[in-house]
Amino acid sequence: DPKIIQKPKYLVAVTGSEKILICEQYLGHNAMYWYRQSAKKPLEFMFSYSYQKLMDNQTASSRFQPQSSKKNHLDLQITALKPDDSATYFCASSQQGNTEVFFGKGTRLTVV
Amino acid sequence: GDSVTQKQGQVTLSEDDFLFINCTYSTTTYPTLFWYVQYPGQGPQLLLKVTTANNKGISRGFEATYDKGTTSFHLQKASVQESDSAVYFCALVEGNTGKLTFGDGTVLTVKP
Repeated sequence: DPKIIQKPKYLVAVTGSEKILICEQYLGHNAMYWYRQSAKKPLEFMFSYSYQKLMDNQTASSRFQPQSSKKNHLDLQITALKPDDSATYFCASSQQGNTEVFFGKGTRLTVV
Repeated sequence: GDSVTQKQGQVTLSEDDFLFINCTYSTTTYPTLFWYVQYPGQGPQLLLKVTTANNKGISRGFEATYDKGTTSFHLQKASVQESDSAVYFCALVEGNTGKLTFGDGTVLTVKP
């Protein structure tokens, strides 16, 4: 059974629209992350959260906003979508203080 | 900042061949080093982790040695199988965080 659930698996959005990518983890971890994978940059760190608090943000644009409603949830809201946002977005988690990071299967976003 | 370099974009081998994937890194400290493997439609999966304390990692027949002198962390396997076909990423992390810096990845194709 997958321990990190990402929904949806595939997502097509229109330029200018807003989407939310869902992530839940059942590994009991207290740190969660978002990474992005595209043709331009194979795997790129975006955000890290620990105990539901933002720890690090490497995303230049404020159009990307993580949302943590529960300690095992970290959703990603993307507003004013652009074709350049097309990528696979991976949610990941770890135990705070442990460097072993586990990844979900990703949400592939296509912006047309 | 931190960087990881994988010069081999693609490697094609036959079953039972020896595998060598090159990885070099650049940081200001002694990081923890990883190899991740990604199969189609999946997220990256941790294959190996090596710290300055243990220097060498072995998993599923793969091995990698942490060489501080040459700042390298090459991946090797004595005899590859078709099921090893995947994308392999070298990565590093500084400190005890989940903020990974990845190389560009190496696509391994193993022919039967």
